[in-house]
Amino acid sequence: GENVEQHPSTLSVQEGDSAVIKCTYSDSASNYFPWYKQELGKGPQLIIDIRSNVGEKKDQRIAVTLNKTAKHFSLHITETQPEDSAVYFCAASGSGGYQKVTFGTGTKLQVIP
Amino acid sequence: DGGITQSPKYLFRKEGQNVTLSCEQNLNHDAMYWYRQDPGQGLRLIYYSQIVNDFQKGDIAEGYSVSREKKESFPLTVTSAQKNPTAFYLCASSILGAAGETQYFGPGTRLLVL
Repeated sequence: GENVEQHPSTLSVQEGDSAVIKCTYSDSASNYFPWYKQELGKGPQLIIDIRSNVGEKKDQRIAVTLNKTAKHFSLHITETQPEDSAVYFCAASGSGGYQKVTFGTGTKLQVIP
Repeated sequence: DGGITQSPKYLFRKEGQNVTLSCEQNLNHDAMYWYRQDPGQGLRLIYYSQIVNDFQKGDIAEGYSVSREKKESFPLTVTSAQKNPTAFYLCASSILGAAGETQYFGPGTRLLVL
């Protein structure tokens, strides 16, 4: 089955700096890669996603890149703000007959004011 | 106001007791899912359902049971057979349950053992 590895597990940045979180996946048939943000005590919320026919996608301060050859994808947050502090999960899906989603283990991002 | 609701927010279970977690959605989604979240781990799939009156085991179904009598509702029962039930439980839904769809999550229920 699919295996998703996520690094780093924790990340501290100064407010205004950029943050990068990286994920690798094992199943070359995966073709959909969502990123979720989870605040303390709440459910994960989708922040951005990318499909395998696209190499990069941006939404204001957030961008995701995908390298299908290397089977890795990354989340980039620019001009970080304290409200960006949360746990971020990457995920991969698309292989198989139903929507099986495999999640990474999460990155706890702390933005220091 | 569309979305997924889970109740209760906190739930306490005594030894040998079955407890049921509620999940309701008004997004008109066909597919619903239950995940378990433990500290330092990703989300692990317990059960999923793509249609009313049908559901499938996920990766960690032992000690859990579900029902899907209505499209809007997908309750999860944590049985006494689940020896380590303390975790954060998340319900999710997607339009059809097809590959590549986005899953939307509820706010979660934290289960604690007394």
